[in-house]
Amino acid sequence: ETGVTQTPRHLVMGMTNKKSLKCEQHLGHNAMYWYKQSAKKPLELMFVYSLEERVENNSVPSRFSPECPNSSHLFLHLHTLQPEDSALYLCASSQDGGPANYNEQFFGPGTRLTVL
Amino acid sequence: TQLLEQSPQFLSIQEGENLTVYCNSSSVFSSLQWYRQEPGEGPVLLVTVVTGGEVKKLKRLTFQFGDARKDSSLHITAAQPGDTGLYLCAGAEETSGSRLTFGEGTQLTVNP
Repeated sequence: ETGVTQTPRHLVMGMTNKKSLKCEQHLGHNAMYWYKQSAKKPLELMFVYSLEERVENNSVPSRFSPECPNSSHLFLHLHTLQPEDSALYLCASSQDGGPANYNEQFFGPGTRLTVL
Repeated sequence: TQLLEQSPQFLSIQEGENLTVYCNSSSVFSSLQWYRQEPGEGPVLLVTVVTGGEVKKLKRLTFQFGDARKDSSLHITAAQPGDTGLYLCAGAEETSGSRLTFGEGTQLTVNP
């Protein structure tokens, strides 16, 4: 595997279900991100992990719970979601720090989530 | 939060035509990136511009960063159907290297 992978690619869940999204990066990066992409809206940054520590949580509801066990893996645990949470969830990674760091991000293919 | 406005939001053209997409903000960015996203995939980085007035070329794509580092443009010459996709600009703040602010995107369709 190369780049950034995400599983599953598609997920349909009811509002009472619990599910998890998985992201894995094979680029040796030290930062990982979760974004939400909804129609007609800019990408919304949800969480940022740098060196496995959460450095940002953009007022995301607690029904979304991230986990970063190591620098290569990132999870997004979902529970009691709402229909308005239906969207494409994108994972990205980058190499933070350094004099020429422009935070160029590499994205996975995303998980298309539908909440019924 | 700095906002990035992209225009146009939608663009449908014929193969061989030229086009320009704009990305504007009232704030200054330390760098600006352009991504292209195809259906069912995540955004793919095309280019990063960092110096005011900078121009970068990637085959038929020309990217320009405004002198004041508040705006950018993407010009495509002789568009091809393979150029179809969602073009996103993203700006990085000087004080927040891990944060990218994304525009809403320009959906480009190039018809054969």
